[in-house]
Amino acid sequence: QVQLVESGGGLVKPGGSLRLSCAASGFTFSDYYMSWIRQAPGKGLEWVSYISSSSSYTNYADSVKGRFTISRDNAKNSLYLQMNSLRAEDTAVYYCAREAMVRGAANPYFDYWGQGTLVTVSS
Amino acid sequence: EIVMTQSPATLSVSPGERATLSCRASQSVSSNLAWYQQKPGQAPRLLIYGASTRATGIPARFSGSGSGTEFTLTISSLQSEDFAVYYCQQYNNWPLAFGQGTKVEIK
Repeated sequence: QVQLVESGGGLVKPGGSLRLSCAASGFTFSDYYMSWIRQAPGKGLEWVSYISSSSSYTNYADSVKGRFTISRDNAKNSLYLQMNSLRAEDTAVYYCAREAMVRGAANPYFDYWGQGTLVTVSS
Repeated sequence: EIVMTQSPATLSVSPGERATLSCRASQSVSSNLAWYQQKPGQAPRLLIYGASTRATGIPARFSGSGSGTEFTLTISSLQSEDFAVYYCQQYNNWPLAFGQGTKVEIK
C-alpha cells in the first residue's frame, strides 16, 4: 500500500536551517509529482512547494520562495525540503503529499499524504 | 492569487442529519476543486476531486457539486466518524489554495 513517511522535523532557532525528508513506498515514486504542504498549529492547510516527477519543474509559495528548496531522489524513493532562514511563522506540521495521476497526467490535488513532521522555529 | 472562502466556520449537526458545506472561489476555478476531511492528529484524506467525483473508497453519502466559483459538499446522513474538519482546495491556478476549513461538530 502507498506509504509516505516524513522525518527531519524539530526545534530550530530563527535564521536556522532544517532538511525534511519523505520516504515513499508502495508505488512507482518516479512517476508522480510530489508536494509539501504545511499546517500551522490550529490553522488551515498551506501548499508550500511541488516538484515534477523528473525534477524538471518546481514551484514555491511566495511565503517560502528563495528560502526553501524542494528536491527528490528517485533512486532512493525520497522527497526533500531544504529550509533555510527559518522564521517563527514557518512553525507547522509539514506533510508530503502525492499529486493524483489521471490518465497519465499529473493533477495537483493530493490522493495520499504522510503523517507529517513538526517544525518549530523558536529561540 | 485565488482565495478560497468556506462557510460556515463551524457546523453543528446531529448524527443522521444532512450537512451542507460551502466553498467559494474569488475567481473561476472551473471544476478543479477538491475536498478533504481531516480528523484531529491525522493527515487530510481526499474525499472529492473534479468538484463531484468521489475518491476511491469514499462512501456514497459524500457528494460534491458546483463549478466556477460556488461549490458544495453534502454529507447526506452524518455518521459518528464524519465529525471532522473539511477543507476545499482549488487546483485550477498556481499557487494552489485551500479554504480555511469548516468544522463539523456534534450537536
